[in-house]
Amino acid sequence: NAGVTQTPKFRVLKTGQSMTLLCAQDMNHEYMYWYRQDPGMGLRLIHYSVGEGTTAKGEVPDGYNVSRLKKQNFLLGLESAAPSQTSVYFCASRQTGTSEPYEQYFGPGTRLTVT
Amino acid sequence: GQSLEQPSEVTAVEGAIVQINCTYQTSGFYGLSWYQQHDGGAPTFLSYNGLDGLEETGRFSSFLSRSDSYGYLLLQELQMKDSASYFCAVRDRWQAGTALIFGKGTTLSVSS
Repeated sequence: NAGVTQTPKFRVLKTGQSMTLLCAQDMNHEYMYWYRQDPGMGLRLIHYSVGEGTTAKGEVPDGYNVSRLKKQNFLLGLESAAPSQTSVYFCASRQTGTSEPYEQYFGPGTRLTVT
Repeated sequence: GQSLEQPSEVTAVEGAIVQINCTYQTSGFYGLSWYQQHDGGAPTFLSYNGLDGLEETGRFSSFLSRSDSYGYLLLQELQMKDSASYFCAVRDRWQAGTALIFGKGTTLSVSS
């Protein structure tokens, strides 16, 4: 099992460019999440999905779009990158059900710089 | 709204015991989780408290008091490899998709 993988690992964009971050998981998890992490800010939820074909906004969704066409993949898109989107992006997934501890499994992250 | 407070930095020496506190404010509280993140790495799950009391996993323990909206992570017999950031997170009942709300993290530095 690879767990949660993210591509690319690093990317530099110019203001106004677009890109898509790919998250893939092989654990058959229903729930998937995109977070961004900035220094001193912890992890903040951008968008999430509770199943194939469904997406919803999180805490900081502006400037991002997502798609979940396949259960194992969750894509994060930046249509017109801005310097404020310079961050480390983490994808996570979780199994369904009500059993604790509701552990989330994180990918290795994508380090994005927008100049 | 929801908020979590934890110290920004903690320092300790090898072999010592350190406690990282977390206070939270949220509606529909379900449970408190702890994650560890080494520099440049991904967050990894450490512990979860759904009920009041102490949970022990090897050198790490976590405590929760729902009446005080307070929890802590206790790290014993500290090792250099424990130098990392530690995040408390709550699962809010009203947060659709059972996403976690994270604190800003506590950076633990362990010295020899």
